[in-house]
Amino acid sequence: AAGVIQSPRHLIKEKRETATLKCYPIPRHDTVYWYQQGPGQDPQFLISFYEKMQSDKGSIPDRFSAQQFSDYHSELNMSSLELGDSALYFCASSLVRLLGDNEQFFGPGTRLTVL
Amino acid sequence: DAKTTQPPSMDCAEGRAANLPCNHSTISGNEYVYWYRQIHSQGPQYIIHGLKNNETNEMASLIITEDRKSSTLILPHATLRDTAVYYCIALISGNTPLVFGKGTRLSVIA
Repeated sequence: AAGVIQSPRHLIKEKRETATLKCYPIPRHDTVYWYQQGPGQDPQFLISFYEKMQSDKGSIPDRFSAQQFSDYHSELNMSSLELGDSALYFCASSLVRLLGDNEQFFGPGTRLTVL
Repeated sequence: DAKTTQPPSMDCAEGRAANLPCNHSTISGNEYVYWYRQIHSQGPQYIIHGLKNNETNEMASLIITEDRKSSTLILPHATLRDTAVYYCIALISGNTPLVFGKGTRLSVIA
């Protein structure tokens, strides 16, 4: 079965550079979530989109922005990178159902290292 | 903040049942109990969820107390591949962002 695809899988950047992470949800899923997991930390929610509109916002820095495109893929744009942005970034997707009891499917993550 | 509390770590012998407890005494009547796990540095993986009744699927069973203040995730025959951090999460809807607490680090030992 098709899974969530994230690219790139690994990314190395210098401080103050920019980075763009991409997420391709499972076909027909209408919701995308972004999570950040720092070294030794638990995943933390950043932002989500439902039907191409931002639906929830977590602890996403102002230096970060994201959007969901017409084909439902999503991109997380990160500017003025700092050492503390080094983390695993996970994308998840889900299909909204009326009862609301459904699961999120996670991608393999992008490991960002800021030097 | 997470509405659930879990023991930080547990060990389980391979082939035995792993019983992972979760306390959620402040859960509201319309909140589901979801379980996810994360195998080292992989994306979290959904396991099971329930509202009031006990649930079972191909991965695990979920036992929710009648007062819904706690639950137990049961892996009936733990294998080495079940070594992971297990997260118990209370959610009004599976479509809402997941709030990960500290979870339980389960080590399955041969």
